[in-house]
Amino acid sequence: GAVVSQHPSWVICKSGTSVKIECRSLDFQATTMFWYRQFPKQSLMLMATSNEGSKATYEQGVEKDKFLINHASLTLSTLTVTSAHPEDSSFYICSASSGGLSGGNTIYFGEGSWLTVV
Amino acid sequence: GNSVTQMEGPVTLSEEAFLTINCTYTATGYPSLFWYVQYPGEGLQLLLKATKADDKGSNKGFEATYRKETTSFHLEKGSVQVSDSAVYFCALGGKAAGNKLTFGGGTRVLVKP
Repeated sequence: GAVVSQHPSWVICKSGTSVKIECRSLDFQATTMFWYRQFPKQSLMLMATSNEGSKATYEQGVEKDKFLINHASLTLSTLTVTSAHPEDSSFYICSASSGGLSGGNTIYFGEGSWLTVV
Repeated sequence: GNSVTQMEGPVTLSEEAFLTINCTYTATGYPSLFWYVQYPGEGLQLLLKATKADDKGSNKGFEATYRKETTSFHLEKGSVQVSDSAVYFCALGGKAAGNKLTFGGGTRVLVKP
């Protein structure tokens, strides 16, 4: 079946540095990818929708200059957390769809990436 | 806007017990409904889905029926196993929801032997 892979699975970075998380669709082309953030014991909050070849659409309250999203190809989207701070520490999950969610299309999730900012 | 409400956990059960996790939603239009499962330390996996009213999604012994009249999508399993211990998320999505997934708060289920 379809697989979405994230890298790295775990990352620790120093406060003030930037860190990049990759999301790849391994056996299908993903025109749309989604980035979520999950705090411990909480639900997933959609951060942004990443569209191949165009700018990402950010949810209300998400700083687009802090969370840079690039979807340069149909199999790769990247999330860069710039000038990271301890409060950015979280579990980041991406998902990918080959098209819209209408009908039977399925969203596939990556394994998630744990970010710890120290 | 769209929202999903599911029962809070944790839910603790004995093996072979019956599991129900309630989920209700508000949405414009006719969204698709999903249940995702998250095992410890892992990402989300689609458990089952239903795309229209009265559809029943099923997988691995779990079932959920899309009830438009009660705006619900309750998850059920007749006999749980220890391996079913996980966090379960109800979600809605689809074209009517702007192609985004909106998640409920998640319900942690712990099955004891």
